[in-house]
Formats: sequence, C-alpha cells, structure tokens
Amino acid sequence: DTGVSQNPRHKITKRGQNVTFRCDPISEHNRLYWYRQTLGQGPEFLTYFQNEAQLEKSRLLSDRFSAERPKGSFSTLEIQRTEQGDSAMYLCASSLAGGRGSPLHFGNGTRLTVT
Amino acid sequence: AQSVTQLGSHVSVSEGALVLLRCNYSSSVPPYLFWYVQYPNQGLQLLLKYTSAATLVKGINGFEAEFKKSETSFHLTKPSAHMSDAAEYFCAVSPNFGNEKLTFGTGTRLTIIP
Repeated sequence: DTGVSQNPRHKITKRGQNVTFRCDPISEHNRLYWYRQTLGQGPEFLTYFQNEAQLEKSRLLSDRFSAERPKGSFSTLEIQRTEQGDSAMYLCASSLAGGRGSPLHFGNGTRLTVT
Repeated sequence: AQSVTQLGSHVSVSEGALVLLRCNYSSSVPPYLFWYVQYPNQGLQLLLKYTSAATLVKGINGFEAEFKKSETSFHLTKPSAHMSDAAEYFCAVSPNFGNEKLTFGTGTRLTIIP
C-alpha cells in the first residue's frame, strides 16, 4: 500500500492558463474523489468516480473544470482558463466501495496558486 | 442538507491536559459522523467514525468521540495531550452508510503548549 499519490505538489500559474493535476489512488480502490480546500476552510466535495464512471459532480464544479478516470485507475483534474479564485489545495481520495463504509484515504494534495 | 459546525477555530491546551474539540451536526436523518486530522502540508487522516453501532467511538492516537443525539453533538476528546497532537481537526458528516461524499466543518487548529 503506497498510499494515494498526487502530482504535482505545487503549481503556480498565471490567470487564464490551463492546468492539469494527476491522482494515483491505492491500487485496489475502485472509488476516487476530488475535493477542494481553500485557506481556513474544510475540504469541499467536487466529484467522484466509481471505476471509470463519474457518478456525481458538485455544483462547485463549473464548466471550466473537468475530471476523468479513463481506465478506472488514475484520474486527472483539469482547470481551463484559471481564475484567481481557483487558488486552493486540491485533494484526491480513494476508497473501496462496500457496505461497511470504507474510509477515505487522502493524498497530500496539489496546491494551486493562480497569479 | 446536512452540515456540521465546529466551535472554536483555534484551541490551545497544555501538554498533558484534556483535549476537547467541539462539533455539532444538523441532519434530518441519522447522521454518519467522522473526525479527520490534517498535519501541515499533508492530506487528511481518519481518526474515527460513528455509524450508529455505539455512541462512544474510540479512534487512533488515543482519541475518542461521543455521539449525543439530544445535544446533536459529536465532540472529540483525548485525556492527555501530546505535542504530536498539534494539527488541524475536521468534523464531517455523510448522508448515508458507506457513502464517502463528506461535508466537512471549517476545522479547529489545535496547539499544544509545552
């Protein structure tokens, strides 16, 4: 179990540029979640996948945001035409779907700064 | 909609003293409640979870939490604080059993005074 891996750890970009983050979940986990955490706040749910299917998207996820999990393994989160308000920590988590409520395992996050 | 409120964005306790971090929930259905800890520049780690099996839940690192329906509370406690407990703590709620789509509180930063 190598844990949930997120890359890059930090990203600084200029307003208007596109950015893409990657998340590699724990290998046997079939559920993958994206959360966003701004300074002084708790994480907010963005979207989640079960295998390659994107099952739910938050209203926080504007049209500029897109997430994929093409083969049911790693996932990418892309933000197009970044805005300063997109500056945040983007957290990925994975779990194993099951009746006992498998806990979320979080990665260390990607911190995005939009200048 | 479900929500949690964490009272006190910052809490300081002396090493060896009792830790008490407060969380109140709002839910129209029986909630599933969680406490997570976040160390600087790291992701969140599950401390414990309440899934209606028992009102007193024991977690890792000596933490426990008690579910009190009458008070709509799920406060986190530890009898004796250790320097390594300094971190940010988040209370969270999910809508149903086995659902990890969590709604988090705003967090409480715990400082341990030597």
